[in-house]
Amino acid sequence: QVQLEQSGSELKKPGASVKVSCKASGYTFTTYAVNWVRQAPGQGLEWMGWINTNTGNPTYAQDFTGRFVFSLDTSVSTAYLQISSLKAEDTAVYFCARVRWSTDPPYYYMDVWGKGTTVTVSS
Amino acid sequence: EIVLAQSPGTLSLSPGERATLSCRVSQSVTSSYLAWYQQKPGQAPTLLIYGASSRATGTPDRFSGSGSGTDFTLTISRLEPEDFALYYCQQFGRSEVTFGGGTRVEIK
Repeated sequence: QVQLEQSGSELKKPGASVKVSCKASGYTFTTYAVNWVRQAPGQGLEWMGWINTNTGNPTYAQDFTGRFVFSLDTSVSTAYLQISSLKAEDTAVYFCARVRWSTDPPYYYMDVWGKGTTVTVSS
Repeated sequence: EIVLAQSPGTLSLSPGERATLSCRVSQSVTSSYLAWYQQKPGQAPTLLIYGASSRATGTPDRFSGSGSGTDFTLTISRLEPEDFALYYCQQFGRSEVTFGGGTRVEIK
């Protein structure tokens, strides 16, 4: 069945880097874009941006430029989120989600989500 | 930035009751780009409604979405025990995605 499998929880020290993976199965990976969404403890959902799985072109939300990098390895149908120079406030669950998007007819929604990867930043 | 304001923050209801959740958008958006998600504790969100009113595959028909412009509503006609959860609206516009702050539906 269609699913996104994310890598396991990470515990990192401030200043370190982390790379979260999101492996797609059950569909053609390059057909749909992938969004990344952050959820800090006890908080709501925050869109980080998306990556075009056909071209590899990433787009970052305003608050997620600089230390955040989206990448792909299409040979293994996997999207990655790398965060560098980790801070305590990066502690959160990070979700990847498949994007269904069209302008004609118009629609936009995220129909398949990974289970989330918990990243904890603590000294 | 387009802001989505969900109300109420918490809705306390009993099983069998009707739930009405509101999502107000700071500027008019295309209803085709408005979606609703449900999230249970420790789980990922799941898509309920897209295009403001179309049920996703597997969404029970007690869930319905409506609205246009700046005002959107998610209605649960008769609450089942599994419906007590968090609900988020989400829009796509100007090449950006934004989520509302969420409404928690809790057992009274």
